[in-house]
Amino acid sequence: GAVVSQHPSRVICKSGTSVKIECRSLDFQATTMFWYRQFPKKSLMLMATSNEGSKATYEQGVEKDKFLINHASLTLSTLTVTSAHPEDSSFYICSAGEAGLAKNIQYFGAGTRLSVL
Amino acid sequence: GIQVEQSPPDLILQEGANSTLRCNFSDSVNNLQWFHQNPWGQLINLFYIPSGTKQNGRLSATTVATERYSLLYISSSQTTDSGVYFCAGKGGSNYKLTFGKGTLLTVNP
Repeated sequence: GAVVSQHPSRVICKSGTSVKIECRSLDFQATTMFWYRQFPKKSLMLMATSNEGSKATYEQGVEKDKFLINHASLTLSTLTVTSAHPEDSSFYICSAGEAGLAKNIQYFGAGTRLSVL
Repeated sequence: GIQVEQSPPDLILQEGANSTLRCNFSDSVNNLQWFHQNPWGQLINLFYIPSGTKQNGRLSATTVATERYSLLYISSSQTTDSGVYFCAGKGGSNYKLTFGKGTLLTVNP
């Protein structure tokens, strides 16, 4: 099956620093990738849709200047949490679907646990 | 967008028991997936099932698209089945998967 790799799996950083999270589709191409945030014991909340070669589409209430998304190739999207603060601590998950398939099954990365001190 | 409602929110079973998890949708879906989130947070694809019935080992799923619900059956449950089960759907021209709140399954030995 399709594999989505997400790195790092865990990051601890100081308040005010920026953190970059990578999401790669390993064995397929993805024109669209998605970034989610999950709070403890809660469901996944879509933050933004990452489009290869164009600007990301952000959900209402998500600060685009805080969460920078870049989708430079068909296999890589990055999420940068800029000037991170403790309230940004969360579990971030990316997903991708194989381009060109009618089914558009979404496959998920293993997630990144961000802790901002 | 569509609303997704899952039930029950919590379920505790003894090893070997069977269970049924339910997912209701507020509108028609053309993409429906079931996931298992393990204790480390990884979402594992269980089924892509916008309609019909599928089986994979001890798990099976049925979606009745006309009635806007899907069921996930777990038979002979094992402790490794513990975790959160999510269903997620996408409807119409909407490109976004909407998740339910999940069912937390605990299987005791």
